Amino acid sequence: GAGVSQTPSNKVTEKGKYVELRCDPISGHTALYWYRQSLGQGPEFLIYFQGTGAADDSGLPNDRFFAVRPEGSVSTLKIQRTERGDSAVYLCASSQSATSYNEQFFGPGTRLTVL
Amino acid sequence: GESVGLHLPTLSVQEGDNSIINCAYSNSASDYFIWYKQESGKGPQFIIDIRSNMDKRQGQRVTVLLNKTVKHLSLQIAATQPGDSAVYFCAETKRDTGRRALTFGSGTRLQVQP
Repeated sequence: GAGVSQTPSNKVTEKGKYVELRCDPISGHTALYWYRQSLGQGPEFLIYFQGTGAADDSGLPNDRFFAVRPEGSVSTLKIQRTERGDSAVYLCASSQSATSYNEQFFGPGTRLTVL
Repeated sequence: GESVGLHLPTLSVQEGDNSIINCAYSNSASDYFIWYKQESGKGPQFIIDIRSNMDKRQGQRVTVLLNKTVKHLSLQIAATQPGDSAVYFCAETKRDTGRRALTFGSGTRLQVQP
């Protein structure tokens, strides 16, 4: 079956602009995660959804970052007033549920470049 | 060839040799650990996991060892193949608190020489 998909694969924007990054999780997966990966680093947690609600948003760096998952499937990560420091690969992952020890399946990521 | 934790970011081995990648994790309360493989341009791919009530777990060609006393995790890959070339990350979490976020290390690049 299809894995986690993310669009766009690449996004180039200018400082101060608004961007939206989309994640389509594996069908039936109730848990969805966003991570950010800077060059040469491991992924850093941003936010996690169980169903439609954000169960843990402790990793969001500031209030310019926001994510939604209105129907419990597709999620959108929104970044306002982008800064050059926001440049990174944004990874989405999903798992069957957030209980117990369910494997997180990662998408290929969206590479965001802020000029 | 052995990697000394995350301070040696690249490990180069000959095809057919065994590889050992090490990770020093940060949170003594973590109870679940995972190794991921990441190829260029792709997201991390699950390799193997281990819970804190175990000290060893084996998969196909891979073994994970956990030493909670010194907060050390290692990944052993037997008969390393060119397709094993990638960056390897360890990740940790503490699941019984309800936390689901993974904390990743900075990774080790494995280069397999033919």
